[in-house]
Amino acid sequence: DQQVKQNSPSLSVQEGRISILNCDYTNSMFDYFLWYKKYPAEGPTFLISISSIKDKNEDGRFTVFLNKSAKHLSLHIVPSQPGDSAVYFCAASARETGANSKLTFGKGITLSVRP
Amino acid sequence: NAGVMQNPRHLVRRRGQEARLRCSPMKGHSHVYWYRQLPEEGLKFMVYLQKENIIDESGMPKERFSAEFPKEGPSILRIQQVVRGDSAAYFCASSLSGALLSEQYFGPGTRLTVT
Repeated sequence: DQQVKQNSPSLSVQEGRISILNCDYTNSMFDYFLWYKKYPAEGPTFLISISSIKDKNEDGRFTVFLNKSAKHLSLHIVPSQPGDSAVYFCAASARETGANSKLTFGKGITLSVRP
Repeated sequence: NAGVMQNPRHLVRRRGQEARLRCSPMKGHSHVYWYRQLPEEGLKFMVYLQKENIIDESGMPKERFSAEFPKEGPSILRIQQVVRGDSAAYFCASSLSGALLSEQYFGPGTRLTVT
C-alpha cells in the first residue's frame, strides 16, 4: 500500500520556467512533509519541509504548498535551472520530531530542465 | 566535516552468501537509519538505531536481516543467505539527536547485486 504517491514519473521543463512536482498521501496521521533531491550515485539531500499547521513554506527558488484537506502537496521551483535536473522524492512522517520519527517516501519524480 | 560514509559502494553476492553493509555516521551523530530502495521504488524505512540500541525495526524483514550500531565503529546491516530479491540500493542516514527529521543526512548508498 503506497501511502505517499508521486504519480508522474517524470517532468520536463524549459530553463527559466516553473517546475511543479506533485505528491499525494493517504495516511491521515502524516503531519510533516519533506522534499528530497537525489542525483545519480548520491544519497538524497534534504530540500525543504512543511508542517501541517502551515499551507506554504518558501526557501529561495523552492516553495512547498500543502492542501491538507485534499492530502496533496506540491513543490514549485522557479525559475528552473539545468542544475535542478534530478530525482525528487516526497516524504512524510507522523511527527516532526522525536524518537521513532521515520520517513515514508514516494517513488520519486525525475525532473529534466532543458537549457 | 565528512558526510555519512557507506561502504562498499557496490557489492556483488551470489545467492546464499552473506552481505555486510557498513555505515559511518557524520561526526557526533549517534542516530542511524537504514532505508532500502528497490528498483523503480521509493526508499523504504528498515530500522532506526542509536548507539547499542535498536529503537524501531518495524521495516526490517523478519528473517535473514539484522542491524547493529555498536558503541565503537560503524553501523552494520547484515543480510544472510541473500536472494535475488535483496538486490537494491541500501541507504543509511544519520542525525545528531533523532529530533528534527530534516536533519537526517543520507549517505551515497550501497548497491547490492545478487547473482
